[in-house]
Amino acid sequence: DIQMTQSPSSLSASVGDSVTITCRASQSISTYLNWYQHKPGTAPKLLIYAASSLQGGAPSRFSGSGSGTDFTLTISSLQPEDFAAYYCQQSYSLPITFGQGTRLEIK
Amino acid sequence: QVQLVQSGAEVKKPGSSVKVSCKASGGTFSSNAISWVRQAPGQGPEWMGGIIPMFGTANYAQKFQGRVTIIADESTTTAYMDLSSLTSEDTAVYYCARDISPDITRPTWFDPWGQGTLVTVSS
Repeated sequence: DIQMTQSPSSLSASVGDSVTITCRASQSISTYLNWYQHKPGTAPKLLIYAASSLQGGAPSRFSGSGSGTDFTLTISSLQPEDFAAYYCQQSYSLPITFGQGTRLEIK
Repeated sequence: QVQLVQSGAEVKKPGSSVKVSCKASGGTFSSNAISWVRQAPGQGPEWMGGIIPMFGTANYAQKFQGRVTIIADESTTTAYMDLSSLTSEDTAVYYCARDISPDITRPTWFDPWGQGTLVTVSS
């Protein structure tokens, strides 16, 4: 199975800050990497697919980059609604696997 | 716009089974994959398996092989996940999610997700 390692596991930031979350795959996954936002009690929401494509309806302050084994999710100019958990997920091969998540909290 | 609505919370005894449903509306159902993902408290999401309704054959994560059954009813556009021999470690929120891929062995991404079903296993 492909292991997905996210860092940091938690992050404190202020409204208006820019933050970056990283995700590392245990083997090359090309650009088969997706990012989700998850708020408690709600359905996870797709933000970025195929490493860098912004899902329709997702704000343009979210961006993704990377290929191979190293990927990043950047949120520029944090808004109050961005404080949530974020997960990466590989779709290169079965079983589909996710990172352990990054909890973004208000400083 | 596809919407997935799941059945309500369940409380189960150890050793029993649980069946969670996922009703799709507003878009295509038969030709896209439906996967089941669970998230235990304090842990990351975990893919359990998926199915393409029009083909009817499910693919399961090895961890759950023999204990999980995923089926889909095209007539009611509903997918089901049945998990047996429950233990306290199966306490989690269970989600269904659609993958636009028509091939469960070639996944893409999950969008949308159901609202989640909390399954609590307790004696």
